[in-house]
Amino acid sequence: DQQVKQNSPSLSVQEGRISILNCDYTNSMFDYFLWYKKYPAEGPTFLISISSIKDKNEDGRFTVFLNKSAKHLSLHIVPSQPGDSAVYFCAARPGGYNQGGKLIFGQGTELSVKP
Amino acid sequence: SAVISQKPSRDICQRGTSLTIQCQVDSQVTMMFWYRQQPGQSLTLIATANQGSEATYESGFVIDKFPISRPNLTFSTLTVSNMSPEDSSIYLCSVYRGDGNTIYFGEGSWLTVV
Repeated sequence: DQQVKQNSPSLSVQEGRISILNCDYTNSMFDYFLWYKKYPAEGPTFLISISSIKDKNEDGRFTVFLNKSAKHLSLHIVPSQPGDSAVYFCAARPGGYNQGGKLIFGQGTELSVKP
Repeated sequence: SAVISQKPSRDICQRGTSLTIQCQVDSQVTMMFWYRQQPGQSLTLIATANQGSEATYESGFVIDKFPISRPNLTFSTLTVSNMSPEDSSIYLCSVYRGDGNTIYFGEGSWLTVV
């Protein structure tokens, strides 16, 4: 049972344009969502997060949108740069006592930004 | 943020042997976790490393295969026991400080079992 899904395994975008990465989830008890960027054979790097009580969070070129009714979130990167090329993982944190650091990950979307 | 160091960064291991991965954090953290990423797959939580007590394992993972230690608030080890080629993965340590909502990851330990 995949509780966090990233249905697009790959995405190709032209430099300077917007990249939109999507993520769907099934568990309405998730209280926090995070996006990570990952290069092969390296650990994930934290990008941006959003609480379940918010619908938008912005940090520089990165914006995350949360639609709770649709159980959907998206990461927007504007403008996209070739250095953004990596695998992006969506992760959700289960709510509840002592669940603070546990994450459930999606399958990842490989973003390729072409010059 | 947190500086998380893992050793070894990569290794090639013989089938049937065991390997211990170390995770060192630059400051005390509330919670430490171990994840696995098999080739082409997502990240999966193996267990929560509890300081001074036995680790809490997720479904599908057992202590005999993945013994974990956490002697203090900045250090943990994960042992992958009696390895088979299916254990070839990146093993990742992650930490949660408890004073925010960000979870940080180490650089990972890339194990190949031959």
